[in-house]
Amino acid sequence: NAGVTQTPKFRILKIGQSMTLQCTQDMNHNYMYWYRQDPGMGLKLIYYSVGAGITDKGEVPNGYNVSRSTTEDFPLRLELAAPSQTSVYFCASSQLLGGFGTGELFFGEGSRLTVL
Amino acid sequence: GESVGLHLPTLSVQEGDNSIINCAYSNSASDYFIWYKQESGKGPQFIIDIRSNMDKRQGQRVTVLLNKTVKHLSLQIAATQPGDSAVYFCAETPSTSGGGADGLTFGKGTHLIIQP
Repeated sequence: NAGVTQTPKFRILKIGQSMTLQCTQDMNHNYMYWYRQDPGMGLKLIYYSVGAGITDKGEVPNGYNVSRSTTEDFPLRLELAAPSQTSVYFCASSQLLGGFGTGELFFGEGSRLTVL
Repeated sequence: GESVGLHLPTLSVQEGDNSIINCAYSNSASDYFIWYKQESGKGPQFIIDIRSNMDKRQGQRVTVLLNKTVKHLSLQIAATQPGDSAVYFCAETPSTSGGGADGLTFGKGTHLIIQP
């Protein structure tokens, strides 16, 4: 199993450009997530999905969009890049958490995005 | 609002010593707690979890302690090794969570530095 795979690993964007961060997992997990991590900060949830065709906003969704057409893929779209979106983005997947399962979120290696 | 945080941003320990990383939480509804390890340039990795009906849980070289009275969580690493150098995050989710990580709140992290 490759786990969670994110591409690209690094990207520089100009203000106003658009791009898609790709994420795929091969563990047949129902839950998938996108987080952003700013320097010295914890992870903030952008969007998540509980299964194919279902997505929902997290804590910081503004400026982003997602889709979940298959169980495996969960791309994150930035439509009009802004300097505030400079961050490291992590995709993750899981089975049920908390009282229903384990706490194991499986993370990708991250995508470092800089908006200039 | 409710938050999860860490007492110290950086912890430096001698190789071979035990490390204790602390975490305070404020959400009294928190039901499930998780520790993650993030090595430089990588995504976070699950270390250990604990539910609110437990005070202590042990893994391989790691122990998590939960004190619900003072809303405090700690991670103890025995015989710290160079490979333990990383940022450690605590995370919590309330019992009202539907089982996904959308209810998961991450702390800001503690950077553990191992001195030779």
